[in-house]
Amino acid sequence: GESVGLHLPTLSVQEGDNSIINCAYSNSASDYFIWYKQESGKGPQFIIDIRSNMDKRQGQRVTVLLNKTVKHLSLQIAATQPGDSAVYFCAEKNPDSSYKLIFGSGTRLLVRP
Amino acid sequence: NAGVTQTPKFQVLKTGQSMTLQCAQDMNHNSMYWYRQDPGMGLRLIYYSASEGTTDKGEVPNGYNVSRLNKREFSLRLESAAPSQTSVYFCASSSDRGTEAFFGQGTRLTVV
Repeated sequence: GESVGLHLPTLSVQEGDNSIINCAYSNSASDYFIWYKQESGKGPQFIIDIRSNMDKRQGQRVTVLLNKTVKHLSLQIAATQPGDSAVYFCAEKNPDSSYKLIFGSGTRLLVRP
Repeated sequence: NAGVTQTPKFQVLKTGQSMTLQCAQDMNHNSMYWYRQDPGMGLRLIYYSASEGTTDKGEVPNGYNVSRLNKREFSLRLESAAPSQTSVYFCASSSDRGTEAFFGQGTRLTVV
């Protein structure tokens, strides 16, 4: 498939370890945040979301943490698997810009067997 | 239930040619989006439609026009293609302001 994000920062982790992917968002008025996973040649796929009235949300093997003070979002993946290898993007919506979905820079996750 | 469908999947254009990228969603969503993705650049919003009959510019609207034909369909038009518009184009939709967007599989456009 086509490779996207050739120059994105890369996080390399050992299979079974936990992964932490970070994102700095741009707008303090943003009130809704999403993490997406993108595999080569495919469109982004929803992983987990969080609203600004929360600071933590857990899903299956994934946790999102939100720190509004420093405008920082993180995605934690527990027991990382080879199928987790992909590019991960954070995205934000804010009411000041009609809730347009704006993406941050991505991170490539490589899982070593 | 196909979700978000984009056509065509691949396209090669000559500089100066025009074309329309089609997008349709069958989830009864109000909001629709067009993004472009260049290597190393992530996804950048071209245009956004919050509801049928409304459109709004995104981060990189120059060189593009859009039409929200009805609730289901949102098309992106390149009037005079340039090599700088070589990219992968993604359409997306979401039901409401505070919900996630669902993406199509992308259109890979090359302008020579």
